[in-house]
Amino acid sequence: GAVVSQHPSWVICKSGTSVKIECRSLDFQATTMFWYRQFPKQSLMLMATSNEGSKATYEQGVEKDKFLINHASLTLSTLTVTSAHPEDSSFYICSAPGSGNTIYFGEGSWLTVV
Amino acid sequence: ILNVEQSPQSLHVQEGDSTNFTCSFPSSNFYALHWYRWETAKSPEALFVMTLNGDEKKKGRISATLNTKEGYSYLYIKGSQPEDSATYLCAPRAGTASKLTFGTGTRLQVTL
Repeated sequence: GAVVSQHPSWVICKSGTSVKIECRSLDFQATTMFWYRQFPKQSLMLMATSNEGSKATYEQGVEKDKFLINHASLTLSTLTVTSAHPEDSSFYICSAPGSGNTIYFGEGSWLTVV
Repeated sequence: ILNVEQSPQSLHVQEGDSTNFTCSFPSSNFYALHWYRWETAKSPEALFVMTLNGDEKKKGRISATLNTKEGYSYLYIKGSQPEDSATYLCAPRAGTASKLTFGTGTRLQVTL
């Protein structure tokens, strides 16, 4: 079946640095992908919609200059957390709609900023 | 932002028990309701996508029902097994966009 792959699974970075997370659709094309974030004991919250070949759409309260999204091809979207701070430490996960109404998720990425 | 509630938050049952969870969501502008099974360190696994009021879907020992008029869905697991241990997420979609709004999930633990 359709698979979405996310990398890296775990990343630790120093405060002030940037970190990139990749989301790939492995056997289908995705003109749209979605990035979610989950803080402890909270639900997955949509951060932004990644659109192939155009600008991402950010949800209210999500800083577009801090969370850079690039969707340069039909199978790859990247999320770059710029100038990361400890409060950005979280679980990030992407999804992509497949055929029918099915929406597939990556494995998620744990980010720790120290 | 949709208000999605799942109950219970967690559940601990014995092997062989049957169990059910609830997902409640706003009924306005409903498009679809997704159920996912999420094991630690894995991708959320799509269980069901339900669109019509009165829908009932089944996958092995797991089934789900949908009431779009009153805004709720039930997920049932018959004869729980340890491998059913996971967090079960529901996520309604409002409109045709593929954006999902998640509940906090129901964490199920099945012991021998």
